[in-house]
Amino acid sequence: DAGVIQSPRHEVTEMGQEVTLRCKPISGHDYLFWYRQTMMRGLELLIYFNNNVPIDDSGMPEDRFSAKMPNASFSTLKIQPSEPRDSAVYFCASSFSGRAYEQYFGPGTRLTVT
Amino acid sequence: QKEVEQNSGPLSVPEGAIASLNCTYSDRGSQSFFWYRQYSGKSPELIMFIYSNGDKEDGRFTAQLNKASQYVSLLIRDSQPSDSATYLCAVEGAQKLVFGQGTRLTINP
Repeated sequence: DAGVIQSPRHEVTEMGQEVTLRCKPISGHDYLFWYRQTMMRGLELLIYFNNNVPIDDSGMPEDRFSAKMPNASFSTLKIQPSEPRDSAVYFCASSFSGRAYEQYFGPGTRLTVT
Repeated sequence: QKEVEQNSGPLSVPEGAIASLNCTYSDRGSQSFFWYRQYSGKSPELIMFIYSNGDKEDGRFTAQLNKASQYVSLLIRDSQPSDSATYLCAVEGAQKLVFGQGTRLTINP
């Protein structure tokens, strides 16, 4: 079975540009999580969905960040406009409700904003 | 106070020895505890979880939980160079996982 799929794997963009990160969770998983990892702040939860519905977005840093999950097999995290401080590795993870806390991570998207 | 605290290391252990990784947490209501391994440039990988006080063994790995002391640990027996990685402790809290900063472990041949 394929794991969590993320695209792109690397993204380099200029400040002010819109960035869209994509995620396909493991089939059958009904929880999806977006994390950001930096050296300074470690791994931070941005938002998570259950059955395509956003449950907790308290970790989203500001209005420039938005996330959607239009169906069970696809989610996006959008940053508009991007800033250099958004440079980080963004991970998507998924789990199923029987073991919601056992999360499986995708390979991540390394975002660099210049 | 951070919700989940780990010694950032680096922790250096000779090959074949026991590596001991520690984690403390602040939320007494937490019920589920996890250890993730993250190789450099890779994503976190779940390696152990523990829900009850005591020890849980899986191969060379043993997770230990003491809820009264709010303490979780991971022991790696017969450490191998391939165990060199950052180990993240994660604790369930408020319906989500909270991760520690991670401990960087190096196994020296």
